[in-house]
Amino acid sequence: TAGITQAPTSQILAAGRSMTLRCTQDMRHNAMYWYRQDLGLGLRLIHYSNTAGTTGKGEVPDGYSVSRANTDDFPLTLASAVPSQTSVYFCASSDMAEGDTQYFGPGTRLTVL
Amino acid sequence: KNQVEQSPQSLIILEGKNCTLQCNYTVSPFSNLRWYKQDTGRGPVSLTIMTFSENTKSNGRYTATLDADTKQSSLHITASQLSDSASYICVVDLQTGANNLFFGTGTRLTVIP
Repeated sequence: TAGITQAPTSQILAAGRSMTLRCTQDMRHNAMYWYRQDLGLGLRLIHYSNTAGTTGKGEVPDGYSVSRANTDDFPLTLASAVPSQTSVYFCASSDMAEGDTQYFGPGTRLTVL
Repeated sequence: KNQVEQSPQSLIILEGKNCTLQCNYTVSPFSNLRWYKQDTGRGPVSLTIMTFSENTKSNGRYTATLDADTKQSSLHITASQLSDSASYICVVDLQTGANNLFFGTGTRLTVIP
């Protein structure tokens, strides 16, 4: 079982360009999340989706958008990247049947220049 | 303000020794307290989860304790191994759902031979 995968592993992006970070899970979890992790800060929630077809804003949603067309995929889009979006991005999924324990992907390291 | 604070920020111990990591939180009302292990360059992995009514939970050499009255938790690692070198993150769930998690900044543990 792959669990949860993210792509790309890392990316360098010019400011102003757009980019989509991909996230796929094969555990049939109902909920999915996007976090960013910055040095000295705890993981911060960007957007979440409690079930396919629904999304919600987290603590730091500005500059990001998400969609949840199906259970397995939860892409994160940066429409016009800025240097402050340089971070490591983690996708996670969870299911109430497993106590909402979040399973994290390996992360995408994004550098915006 | 809902916060999770961890101490120490970093710790170096000799292989085979025990150590205890601390977590203080102000999240209220909370439903669960979780400890995650994050290896360098990887996503966090769940170690333990405790509800507000539990006061201890073990996972192999890892034992978490919770005092809901003082809003403190600890993670005790017994007979440390080199593979225990990682960041350990304390996470507290707000009662309102899995998209309301508060992450500590983590304790960076280094186990040396």
